[in-house]
Amino acid sequence: DVKVTQSSRYLVKRTGEKVFLECVQDMDHENMFWYRQDPGLGLRLIYFSYDVKMKEKGDIPEGYSVSREKKERFSLILESASTNQTSMYLCASRDRGSLNEQFFGPGTRLTVL
Amino acid sequence: QKEVEQDPGPLSVPEGAIVSLNCTYSNSAFQYFMWYRQYSRKGPELLMYTYSSGNKEDGRFTAQVDKSSKYISLFIRDSQPSDSATYLCAMTKNSNSGYALNFGKGTSLLVTP
Repeated sequence: DVKVTQSSRYLVKRTGEKVFLECVQDMDHENMFWYRQDPGLGLRLIYFSYDVKMKEKGDIPEGYSVSREKKERFSLILESASTNQTSMYLCASRDRGSLNEQFFGPGTRLTVL
Repeated sequence: QKEVEQDPGPLSVPEGAIVSLNCTYSNSAFQYFMWYRQYSRKGPELLMYTYSSGNKEDGRFTAQVDKSSKYISLFIRDSQPSDSATYLCAMTKNSNSGYALNFGKGTSLLVTP
């Protein structure tokens, strides 16, 4: 079974802190994604990566950056957390050519105070 | 206009009812259509996948795509309380690995015993 794991299920940070969200997948997938999910807004794509050291902006990249130094790991970075970044963050991975099989992690509920 | 529209609900039905969940979309280039199910406090998981127009059946679930109307549906027969979840439609233009999925906002379904 594909497994996508995220470093924390719940995280509380203060405004202005630098926040790292880690995602690891164990199936050698090329593509990895970061979404945020908010009530009434659904899933919104922040960034995605289709290879090591490659990244593409999604729909809402402002205030975020990403890092993909190894194939299995995709990190989301909030350089200076703000209260409007309080959200559920979901990581996903997908094999190249397997369009339909996008696997999600369990999510990290981030609260910024 | 958002590319994918989905009524958020909530939708409440009695056990055993037939459920119809729908999405409309504006981009005629979309060719690949998916339905994800998300239980509370979990990541979404793939439920059904279809390519182009037509129907696809899997047990109690039927996915239907009408490209001429830009409309997709998920039908659940003999609904069970365990079907209570948020259902998200997703679609994309191309099977190329670089394309991200476009998600609807999700419909919340409650099946009451």
